[in-house]
Amino acid sequence: QKEVEQNSGPLSVPEGAIASLNCTYSDRGSQSFFWYRQYSGKSPELIMSIYSNGDKEDGRFTAQLNKASQYVSLLIRDSQPSDSATYLCAVNLNTGNQFYFGTGTSLTVIP
Amino acid sequence: DVKVTQSSRYLVKRTGEKVFLECVQDMDHENMFWYRQDPGLGLRLIYFSYDVKMKEKGDIPEGYSVSREKKERFSLILESASTNQTSMYLCASLMRNSYEQYFGPGTRLTVT
Repeated sequence: QKEVEQNSGPLSVPEGAIASLNCTYSDRGSQSFFWYRQYSGKSPELIMSIYSNGDKEDGRFTAQLNKASQYVSLLIRDSQPSDSATYLCAVNLNTGNQFYFGTGTSLTVIP
Repeated sequence: DVKVTQSSRYLVKRTGEKVFLECVQDMDHENMFWYRQDPGLGLRLIYFSYDVKMKEKGDIPEGYSVSREKKERFSLILESASTNQTSMYLCASLMRNSYEQYFGPGTRLTVT
């Protein structure tokens, strides 16, 4: 069983704060890690990918990967109300085309 | 920009009907996927295809079949729709040797 676990939330943060979203995975063979944002009624949109240990920054978003702890996180700095969405964590084993998704964390940014 | 389109945004069918969901991508991607998304269960893979006429079962293939006769088109077929197949269905595509999936807008299917 290839499990990807996320706290379902809801997570609420005030506007301008840092939102921290966490994800753990069970398969040590996982090689590629992704964060998707999904607005209500819309399809998932890829916002970050990370492949090696450490931090990867893209604008207000930072993905952090720790393979030893089987942990990947997403930090959103200067959170905006437009960041309010469900964030999905996904992993890929690099042995095929199958991706495994968490159930998502609902984030609300309060103006 | 990659574009993935799905034939319907909303669909209502009766129990026992045969249902076709169509997905088309315009970026010449080799890999295409069908997922369903249910509250509390996340995205679950039904089938995927890595080439024309090729298909692989995902985690929940029971009650579904797929067809890929052309590279740009991947169809999901519900042979005999049941109420437990009421869900949001999402199609995605992916270039070979890439890991970044692009999703279509989704089809919300209701089976009554």
